[in-house]
Amino acid sequence: AQSVTQLDSHVSVSEGTPVLLRCNYSSSVPPYLFWYVQYPNQGLQLLLKYTSAATLVKGINGFEAEFKKSETSFHLTKPSAHMSDAAEYFCAVSDLSGTYKYIFGTGTRLKVLA
Amino acid sequence: DTGVSQDPRHKITKRGQNVTFRCDPISEHNRLYWYRQTLGQGPEFLTYFQNEAQLEKSRLLSDRFSAERPKGSFSTLEIQRTEQGDSAMYLCASSKQGNTEAFFGQGTRLTVV
Repeated sequence: AQSVTQLDSHVSVSEGTPVLLRCNYSSSVPPYLFWYVQYPNQGLQLLLKYTSAATLVKGINGFEAEFKKSETSFHLTKPSAHMSDAAEYFCAVSDLSGTYKYIFGTGTRLKVLA
Repeated sequence: DTGVSQDPRHKITKRGQNVTFRCDPISEHNRLYWYRQTLGQGPEFLTYFQNEAQLEKSRLLSDRFSAERPKGSFSTLEIQRTEQGDSAMYLCASSKQGNTEAFFGQGTRLTVV
């Protein structure tokens, strides 16, 4: 069965410093992987996706993620945090059985300090 | 493209009452999903429609839950005899056939008192 693990439930960074949000996946086949962001009382917005093309994926708002098969990881990074990045971030893997439903991690709450 | 629309955004109901939520997907999307998100957790899959056919239901979807997509367009999720444990954010998502990317609505936050 496919699954994702988000290793940190909370991450705090200072504005202008790098962001690293960690995600490890479990899948018996090459997965489709996603990062979504959720602001309070809002739905989820897609940041970026990996679908077996380039291993380094660039997304919106300056975020990028690198797919590392040997480490079964898909960590999300940003060179310089902005106050507006404060939100909950979810890593997800897509079920390849035909429905393409998502299996989400438990989320990482990013706090950006002034 | 007006995005995925959910109604209502918030619902407070008394335990034992029935509630119904509506989701309008992006117009050309034939796949529709419902997820439930409880506080501090990631969304969990509830059910999936391809056009009007409900093709998969999670074991989370007890007998009190029913979902429909009668004409392959909008969908409704009904919860009968609500319980306090049903309090959660209910998220709807849609995607186009052959596309793995799903677009989410703003969600309906249900509070059962």
